[in-house]
Amino acid sequence: EAQVTQNPRYLITVTGKKLTVTCSQNMNHEYMSWYRQDPGLGLRQIYYSMNVEVTDKGDVPEGYKVSRKEKRNFPLILESPSPNQTSLYFCASSFTSGARQYFGPGTRLTVT
Amino acid sequence: TQLLEQSPQFLSIQEGENLTVYCNSSSVFSSLQWYRQEPGEGPVLLVTVVTGGEVKKLKRLTFQFGDARKDSSLHITAAQPGDTGLYLCAGAEDNYGQNFVFGPGTRLSVLP
Repeated sequence: EAQVTQNPRYLITVTGKKLTVTCSQNMNHEYMSWYRQDPGLGLRQIYYSMNVEVTDKGDVPEGYKVSRKEKRNFPLILESPSPNQTSLYFCASSFTSGARQYFGPGTRLTVT
Repeated sequence: TQLLEQSPQFLSIQEGENLTVYCNSSSVFSSLQWYRQEPGEGPVLLVTVVTGGEVKKLKRLTFQFGDARKDSSLHITAAQPGDTGLYLCAGAEDNYGQNFVFGPGTRLSVLP
């Protein structure tokens, strides 16, 4: 089954404790992206990747890092999480940029 | 970054009623997508419109892209409880579609 998976689905952590949210897709998609969703603000793009080893900043990249060492994986790294990064995070992938995006189920992160 | 506004923000209607939700911007988009998101899940693509004035139909849903490619509408005929969800529009900022800008969404509730 074609899908985008994210782990963990829920995470509660404390300020400053490094964490990684994993994202994996099994559709051989070139384009992958991370979004955060906050009430009243919609989805905002954090980082995107056009292909392996090619990443670029989205609209709200501060406090986040990403890597794309393999085509299927696109982890999101928070080196020193802060409470303002409490949000619902979505990973998405598509065959190419501009094509239909397939979203993962989301990761709800709470930073206390 | 271009901005998308959606209206209304919330809409609660009875089963069988018709409704229209709007997606507006002061900027031109190369394409525009509509997604539906249900609680606990990621957004799922409904349609992509590319050409100014384009109209697409998906069963009881009718999507229209404005002539100037700055706005779009989604009309639902004879709404059903299964239509309940968050409707998001997303515009591609450039012809390569590297960056999608999402609106804040319209939360629709269809009561039986």
